[in-house]
Amino acid sequence: EDQVTQSPEALRLQEGESSSLNCSYTVSGLRGLFWYRQDPGKGPEFLFTLYSAGEEKEKERLKATLTKKESFLHITAPKPEDSATYLCAVQAGGSQGNLIFGKGTKLSVKP
Amino acid sequence: DTEVTQTPKHLVMGMTNKKSLKCEQHMGHRAMYWYKQKAKKPPELMFVYSYEKLSINESVPSRFSPECPNSSLLNLHLHALQPEDSALYLCASSQVRGTEQFFGPGTRLTVL
Repeated sequence: EDQVTQSPEALRLQEGESSSLNCSYTVSGLRGLFWYRQDPGKGPEFLFTLYSAGEEKEKERLKATLTKKESFLHITAPKPEDSATYLCAVQAGGSQGNLIFGKGTKLSVKP
Repeated sequence: DTEVTQTPKHLVMGMTNKKSLKCEQHMGHRAMYWYKQKAKKPPELMFVYSYEKLSINESVPSRFSPECPNSSLLNLHLHALQPEDSALYLCASSQVRGTEQFFGPGTRLTVL
């Protein structure tokens, strides 16, 4: 069965304290891995798409990387405005293009 | 225009009411989706339209009825809902099925 697991469930950081979020997956034929940011009560905001192992994408303080079993979202010198829930989703070969979401990591950055 | 818009932002309805949620995108995307999201849970797929044809109905109760009038619009008709249907309803679109999806802001639905 296709599965996506995110860890940790919650992460509290001080402003400027860099860290990483993990998304591990077991799917039959990865077609793509997607990272989203979601603020409370709002729709997910698209961040990155990764397609193959070794691929990296960057945007401001965020960097996403992909291996054959997992993806990391690295946050460098976070600011309070980076506080949000970060969702990872994968598209598997047998999913007909549908996204399989992880449960998310809730990030809190304190000033 | 790189936005997906949804109306209304908030909706409160009784169990006997009929209401509709609306979604619109002008990015030329040919796939559109309805998701339901409960608090502290990830989005759950309800319906997918690909080139204006319903591709998947994820065994959603018949009290939810989707409609895709054209390639830019998506409606979700609601009838005889239950309190447990209260949730954030999200619309998303993608260039075609299988590419990155862009979400709207959602409609917060409360069923009394």
